[in-house]
Amino acid sequence: NAGVTQTPKFQVLKTGQSMTLQCAQDMNHNSMYWYRQDPGMGLRLIYYSASEGTTDKGEVPNGYNVSRLNKREFSLRLESAAPSQTSVYFCASSGDSGNSNQPQHFGDGTRLSIL
Amino acid sequence: GNSVTQMEGPVTLSEEAFLTINCTYTATGYPSLFWYVQYPGEGLQLLLKATKADDKGSNKGFEATYRKETTSFHLEKGSVQVSDSAVYFCALSPISGAGSYQLTFGKGTKLSVIP
Repeated sequence: NAGVTQTPKFQVLKTGQSMTLQCAQDMNHNSMYWYRQDPGMGLRLIYYSASEGTTDKGEVPNGYNVSRLNKREFSLRLESAAPSQTSVYFCASSGDSGNSNQPQHFGDGTRLSIL
Repeated sequence: GNSVTQMEGPVTLSEEAFLTINCTYTATGYPSLFWYVQYPGEGLQLLLKATKADDKGSNKGFEATYRKETTSFHLEKGSVQVSDSAVYFCALSPISGAGSYQLTFGKGTKLSVIP
C-alpha cells in the first residue's frame, strides 16, 4: 500500500533553475497539501487543494505554483529557485474535505538544495 | 490566529523513563488536536488524535488528553524505548469553516532514548 508517493527524493538546483516536485496518492483522498519543513520552524503550509479542480494559498506561497492534475496527483513548481527555498518538502493528503477530524497522511519528503 | 507551542528539545531520556512533551494551543472554538511522529528520514505519521474536550487519544503506549480549560494536549508515555527516538509534532486543525483544511504545527520536539 503506497499511500503518498513523492518524487524525487533528493534534488540539487542552481539559483534560477526551475523544477516540479511530484506527488501522488492512492487513497482516493479529496484534499492534498504541500508543506515545507525548515529547522526550528515546524511545517508550514505552502498550498493546498481541497478537492480536484481547486487550489488555495497557505501560509508561505510566494515563489511557488501548484497544479492539481487529477484526484491522485498534486504537483509543486518552483519557477526560479532561490537559496531561501532550500528545504524539505512534504506532500500530504486527507479524506473528507473540510472535516477537521481527518488526519493527514504524509509522503517521505523531497530534500531540495539550491546553490 | 491559531498557534501551537510545544516544549523545545532536544529531550534525552534513558530507556524505560517516563516521557512528557508539553503542548499548548491557541484557537477559537474546539479544534481537533493531533500528535504526529517523524522518524529519521521519513515523513510524518499520525500518532494519536482527540477531537473534543476531555477526549484521550492513545496509541503505542502514548497518551494525550484534550484539556480545554488549560488549552493543552500534553503527550505522555510511561516507559520509553530506544525505538521511540524521533521528532514529535503537536498540531491542531480548526473547526469547519475558513481555514479548516490547514493544520497548524508546533516546531517539533526531538526525543532521543539511550539504552
